[in-house]
Amino acid sequence: GAVVSQHPSRVICKSGTSVKIECRSLDFQATTMFWYRQFPKQSLMLMATSNEGSKATYEQGVEKDKFLINHASLTLSTLTVTSAHPEDSSFYICSALKGGSNEKLFFGSGTQLSVL
Amino acid sequence: SQQGEEDPQALSIQEGENATMNCSYKTSINNLQWYRQNSGRGLVHLILIRSNEREKHSGRLRVTLDTSKKSSSLLITASRAADTASYFCATLGGATNKLIFGTGTLLAVQP
Repeated sequence: GAVVSQHPSRVICKSGTSVKIECRSLDFQATTMFWYRQFPKQSLMLMATSNEGSKATYEQGVEKDKFLINHASLTLSTLTVTSAHPEDSSFYICSALKGGSNEKLFFGSGTQLSVL
Repeated sequence: SQQGEEDPQALSIQEGENATMNCSYKTSINNLQWYRQNSGRGLVHLILIRSNEREKHSGRLRVTLDTSKKSSSLLITASRAADTASYFCATLGGATNKLIFGTGTLLAVQP
């Protein structure tokens, strides 16, 4: 099956710093990737759709200046949480849509962000 | 919100029993998928059912889909302690290719 690698798996940072999370499709090209956020004991909430070579599309209520998304290549999308605050502490998960498929997404293993 | 609803929110059963989780959604879909998540970890894709299908099986899993009621169910038969996890339905629909998750069911299987 297709593999999506997400890095780092866990990060602890001080309030006010920026954190970059990488999502890579290892054995396929992904023109579209998705970023989700999950608070403890809650479901996954879609934050944004990342499209290779164009601007990301953000869901309502998600601050685009706070969560910067860059999809510079067909195998890499990055999410940067800028000026992180404790309320940004969450589990972030990316997923990639395999080219031509509209059926199944392949998920990264997630990043647990803790902002002190 | 387009998020689907799942019930029950939590389910506790004994090993060997069957577990049934239900999912309702709001919009038209291309397919509906079920995922499993162990605490603090990534997602595991369990099964996908297309909008023109009514039932699907995979091992101990049985999924039904009723598009007229906009609902789906996941049945896990002969449950095991290792089945303890959160289970989410997710719908893929429309022209956006967005996968929208339900609220999830926390299943605890007691040995």
